[in-house]
Amino acid sequence: EPEVTQTPSHQVTQMGQEVILHCVPISNHLYFYWYRQILGQKVEFLVSFYNNEISEKSEIFDDQFSVERPDGSNFTLKIRSTKLEDSAMYFCASSGAGYYGYTFGSGTRLTVV
Amino acid sequence: KNEVEQSPQNLTAQEGEFITINCSYSVGISALHWLQQHPGGGIVSLFMLSSGKKKHGRLIATINIQEKHSSLHITASHPRDSAVYICAVHPGNYQLIWGAGTKLIIKP
Repeated sequence: EPEVTQTPSHQVTQMGQEVILHCVPISNHLYFYWYRQILGQKVEFLVSFYNNEISEKSEIFDDQFSVERPDGSNFTLKIRSTKLEDSAMYFCASSGAGYYGYTFGSGTRLTVV
Repeated sequence: KNEVEQSPQNLTAQEGEFITINCSYSVGISALHWLQQHPGGGIVSLFMLSSGKKKHGRLIATINIQEKHSSLHITASHPRDSAVYICAVHPGNYQLIWGAGTKLIIKP
């Protein structure tokens, strides 16, 4: 069964450092997403990406965050200057048109110290 | 105000029992997902619904668009069903708005 692959599974970083989280979506999917889940809280939408541009973003997705699809397969989330409150599980997801096959990666646990 | 409310927050049952988890939402939606999250954190989509009812094995999901309500049922529950079950909705676009989840524990 096709999978969304996220790397790394865990990342520890110093406050103020830049991090890049990596995702390989399902190959024939068109829509790509990042979500985050702070420990003990609900999952929250960050951003969706379609046709090489951001289609929607939440209030959380401020200037510290950016997304990129640098080649035909990868979809990255960059946090420019991490804060303690960025510590969370970050999930990548992808889907086809009409939400078809909405699939999540296994997540990257980011710890900012 | 939470746009997606689930009940109960926690549910403990004996193996074999029939389980119902409820989801109510306050926004207009184009579709609703039921998802499962295991202790390791991974999320799996169980169902996507825009109307009616879907069944997969021992899992059944229903939705009533007029009443803005959905239910997830598990028949003949088993300890391996223990997980957090989450309702999430598409508010007319591709993002998902998530409920807080229902933590289900099935005891042998």
